[in-house]
Amino acid sequence: AQSVAQPEDQVNVAEGNPLTVKCTYSVSGNPYLFWYVQYPNRGLQFLLKYITGDNLVKGSYGFEAEFNKSQTSFHLKKPSALVSDSALYFCAVRENSWGKLQFGAGTQVVVTP
Amino acid sequence: DVKVTQSSRYLVKRTGEKVFLECVQDMDHENMFWYRQDPGLGLRLIYFSYDVKMKEKGDIPEGYSVSREKKERFSLILESASTNQTSMYLCASSLLPGGPYNEQFFGPGTRLTVL
Repeated sequence: AQSVAQPEDQVNVAEGNPLTVKCTYSVSGNPYLFWYVQYPNRGLQFLLKYITGDNLVKGSYGFEAEFNKSQTSFHLKKPSALVSDSALYFCAVRENSWGKLQFGAGTQVVVTP
Repeated sequence: DVKVTQSSRYLVKRTGEKVFLECVQDMDHENMFWYRQDPGLGLRLIYFSYDVKMKEKGDIPEGYSVSREKKERFSLILESASTNQTSMYLCASSLLPGGPYNEQFFGPGTRLTVL
């Protein structure tokens, strides 16, 4: 069975500093990995995905994520955080192209001025 | 842009009431999904549908049913609302799996309170 873990409930970072949101996964086959962001009182917005190819994936709003097969991780990164990046971030995994998405519990990111 | 709309942003119902949550997407997507979002639990799949009149149970279908009479519309039904169904409900849609565009697009959510 597939699963995904986001080990941090909250990440605090100062504006301008690098931001990392951690995600690890477990699947029996090749993973399809996604990051979504949820701003207050809004639905989820797609940020980026890894299906195959380069391990470094670039997405919306300056975010990127690195797929590491040996560590079964897919951490989300941004070189310089903005206050407007404060939101709830979800990692999700699908075991194959036909499978259901399994979401992590979410990580609250707080960026302070 | 894909647009997924949900009929209500906030809803307050009483225990035992029948509740309908409506979702409409405008991009001719085959797949539609209903999730509930609870703090610390992330999103959990209630039901999904990959075609008109087709439905599949997700991880937590108990107490819910769904209807998909038209491709663009997917309804979630709480036959007899209970307080433990107080939650944020999110609808999503996507193209057929197996294609390159298989991320899901979400609506704004309905925050349901059952008293």
